[in-house]
Amino acid sequence: DAKTTQPNSMESNEEEPVHLPCNHSTISGTDYIHWYRQLPSQGPEYVIHGLTSNVNNRMASLAIAEDRKSSTLILHRATLRDAAVYYCILRGSNYKLTFGKGTLLTVNP
Amino acid sequence: DAGITQSPRHKVTETGTPVTLRCHQTENHRYMYWYRQDPGHGLRLIHYSYGVKDTDKGEVSDGYSVSRSKTEDFLLTLESATSSQTSVYFCAIKHPGRDYEAFFGQGTRLTVV
Repeated sequence: DAKTTQPNSMESNEEEPVHLPCNHSTISGTDYIHWYRQLPSQGPEYVIHGLTSNVNNRMASLAIAEDRKSSTLILHRATLRDAAVYYCILRGSNYKLTFGKGTLLTVNP
Repeated sequence: DAGITQSPRHKVTETGTPVTLRCHQTENHRYMYWYRQDPGHGLRLIHYSYGVKDTDKGEVSDGYSVSRSKTEDFLLTLESATSSQTSVYFCAIKHPGRDYEAFFGQGTRLTVV
C-alpha cells in the first residue's frame, strides 16, 4: 500500500485556521485520499476524502495538489474539541485503510 | 450512527491462554475489519472479512485467527496470548449509508500478563 508522510505534531490556537499537510508521492491513479481523526480514548472517525478535486464538508476542507502527491486538511476554525491525532490515508483495495502515525494536533485556548 | 459493538471492552488474561474478542454489527454489512493500536502508533490491520466465511490477512496477522459464520459477527481469536499482543483492538465496518467511510467501534483494551 502506498505510504503517507505527516508531521508528528502541530499546534494551533483556538478559532484560528489549521492546515495539516500530507505527502503521498507514490500515490496511484486509483487511490483515494482519506482523512480520519482519533480523539483520546476513542476509535478513529472519518473526516473527509477526495480523489482529485478539492472537497468541502461540514467538518473540514481537503485541498489536493494538482499532481496528487500531496494534500492538506484544512480546519477553518479550530476548537478545543478538534484536538486529536489526524491520519492521512490512501485507501486501497477492499477498502482497507493503512494508517501511519498521524499528526497530533494540539489546540491552545 | 452505525450499530457496532465490541465485547469485552476490557480484558486481562494470562500468557498462553486463548482469548476471543467479538465484534457485532447490526447493519448487515459485508466488510468488517480488525485493527490493533499500540502506543505511539497508528492502527494496523490484523484481518478483514468481505462476507460470511470470506476472510483475509492484514499486515500483522501472525498469532491471530478470525471467523465470520454470520454477517453480524466477526470474531478475533488469540490462540495463545503473548505479552506482545497487549494492545487496544478496534473493529470497523464500512459505514452502511456512506460507502466511502469506515466506522469504528469503541475498542477493546487487552492486557496479557
